[in-house]
Amino acid sequence: KAGVTQTPRYLIKTRGQQVTLSCSPISGHRSVSWYQQTPGQGLQFLFEYFSETQRNKGNFPGRFSGRQFSNSRSEMNVSTLELGDSALYLCASSLPQGETQYFGPGTRLLVL
Amino acid sequence: DAKTTQPPSMDCAEGRAANLPCNHSTISGNEYVYWYRQIHSQGPQYIIHGLKNNETNEMASLIITEDRKSSTLILPHATLRDTAVYYCTLYNSNDYKLSFGAGTTVTVRA
Repeated sequence: KAGVTQTPRYLIKTRGQQVTLSCSPISGHRSVSWYQQTPGQGLQFLFEYFSETQRNKGNFPGRFSGRQFSNSRSEMNVSTLELGDSALYLCASSLPQGETQYFGPGTRLLVL
Repeated sequence: DAKTTQPPSMDCAEGRAANLPCNHSTISGNEYVYWYRQIHSQGPQYIIHGLKNNETNEMASLIITEDRKSSTLILPHATLRDTAVYYCTLYNSNDYKLSFGAGTTVTVRA
């Protein structure tokens, strides 16, 4: 079974731009979560979606948003990029009744 | 604030068991203990998890104290490929999120 896939794997943007990252969960998984990883703050929870509904959101500004589609694929968007948004963005998926989250390889975003 | 506390680093000899401690003294009843590892900034890899009982799988064993305030991950026969950052995390089944601490950088030496 294929794992979680994330696209693109690497991205370079400039301040003020916006970016959309994509995540395809493992087949059969309906919950998708997003995390941000930086050297200073470590791994931090962004949000979680299940059946196209956001069930929880982390402590991030409104510039960070996400959505989930009917096929469980998910996207996250960051508007008005800041230098501090440079990070590894990780997506994880889990079964409908399962707690175990399986992570994708991440998208490395560099904001210049 | 991080909910788990781990030593920042530890070394282990190849072929020996590696015992990774984790403190989670404020764990609540609906929180599971999860262990992940991350190699070279790839996505975290799931290792094992537990709620109350000790658990074992093909990768590792997890020992949770009776009061659930601490746990130990045991890698029975460490190899060079086990060199990674190991995260002890808590999963809250009410809010669907993993809470990561700073992790332990484990270096396996030949």
